[in-house]
Amino acid sequence: NAGVTQTPKFQVLKTGQSMTLQCAQDMNHEYMSWYRQDPGMGLRLIHYSVGAGITDQGEVPNGYNVSRSTTEDFPLRLLSAAPSQTSVYFCASTERSGAYEQYFGPGTRLTVT
Amino acid sequence: AQRVTQPEKLLSVFKGAPVELKCNYSYSGSPELFWYVQYSRQRLQLLLRHISRESIKGFTADLNKGETSFHLKKPFAQEEDSAMYYCALEGSNYKLTFGKGTLLTVNP
Repeated sequence: NAGVTQTPKFQVLKTGQSMTLQCAQDMNHEYMSWYRQDPGMGLRLIHYSVGAGITDQGEVPNGYNVSRSTTEDFPLRLLSAAPSQTSVYFCASTERSGAYEQYFGPGTRLTVT
Repeated sequence: AQRVTQPEKLLSVFKGAPVELKCNYSYSGSPELFWYVQYSRQRLQLLLRHISRESIKGFTADLNKGETSFHLKKPFAQEEDSAMYYCALEGSNYKLTFGKGTLLTVNP
């Protein structure tokens, strides 16, 4: 049971490049979400999904795209990277039946130059 | 709209002293509130949630609906409590809104 995994751990992009941050969970959780963490800003919700095939926008969705074709995977796509997207990105999945618990991945540190 | 406010960016106490991390929220419905902790170079983890009314690592938090607060308390701080603490509110559609965090430093 690996929990929530994220790849890559670090990434440097040039402005305008696109990339996909991968997130996977093996706990069969329906609910998954992406956050960005910036100094002094806390964590802000980018996109979330309440199940395969269902996604919705969070607080800061602009410049990001998601899809949820399987329960396990929830990739985050940066369409055209900008320096303002330099951040640490966390994926999370949530156990909603029984004891509530949200499990976070280790994070991806992204720098856009 | 839901909002979480943590008024202190930094909090420094000495080992053995009581500690209180403040959290205020704004939400029109019945809130579900949580405290998360992030130790240095580690991922976020759930510390406690108000609905379970439990004590984890000596920390407790009481929901005060009148004051719209969910402050985190520990009577005797330990050095290993040094970390970033986030208060979070779950509103509609299970969306979590986080406060900006308080960095707690416990000095020896």
